[in-house]
Amino acid sequence: DQQVKQNSPSLSVQEGRISILNCDYTNSMFDYFLWYKKYPAEGPTFLISISSIKDKNEDGRFTVFLNKSAKHLSLHIVPSQPGDSAVYFCAASALNRGSTLGRLYFGRGTQLTVWP
Amino acid sequence: NAGVMQNPRHLVRRRGQEARLRCSPMKGHSHVYWYRQLPEEGLKFMVYLQKENIIDESGMPKERFSAEFPKEGPSILRIQQVVRGDSAAYFCASSPGQGAGYGYTFGSGTRLTVV
Repeated sequence: DQQVKQNSPSLSVQEGRISILNCDYTNSMFDYFLWYKKYPAEGPTFLISISSIKDKNEDGRFTVFLNKSAKHLSLHIVPSQPGDSAVYFCAASALNRGSTLGRLYFGRGTQLTVWP
Repeated sequence: NAGVMQNPRHLVRRRGQEARLRCSPMKGHSHVYWYRQLPEEGLKFMVYLQKENIIDESGMPKERFSAEFPKEGPSILRIQQVVRGDSAAYFCASSPGQGAGYGYTFGSGTRLTVV
């Protein structure tokens, strides 16, 4: 039962262009969303998050957009750099649902490759 | 200012042996989470612990798996009588409070291979 879905296993983008990574979720109880970046043989590192009371959050080259009605979020990276090449995971949490307060639900990830 | 420390980084066990994975959270963090990543999959929640308490173990397989976070020392994820299907990367995360809003810090993981 995959409650967070990343339907594109891979994305290839030229350096300097925009990378757009997409994520869909099914559980309407989710109210907090995060993006993690992961290099091989390392743990995930936090990139950016967004609360369901917002529809956009920006941090430098990274912007996350949330469309609650469509249960969809996206991560935009502008401009893309070769060092951005990694697997990107979308994750969701239900901050106000006591029994699963601590849990993150992850998508399967999208491998981003930024070529020169 | 060490991050979340997991050891060992790599662990090879024969079928039927026990595997013990250790996680030392960041200083000041009293909340520990364990996740498992199977090949080609995302991370799946296993268990959430605070010092001396299991808060949510709904993601743990019913048999052979156990976890603890004692008053002193690291959190331990224990897998008894390992099988090939247990081969995966196991990640630990810690946070200073309950809920994703506090921010999680992940360790580098333990890669378990069962032969």
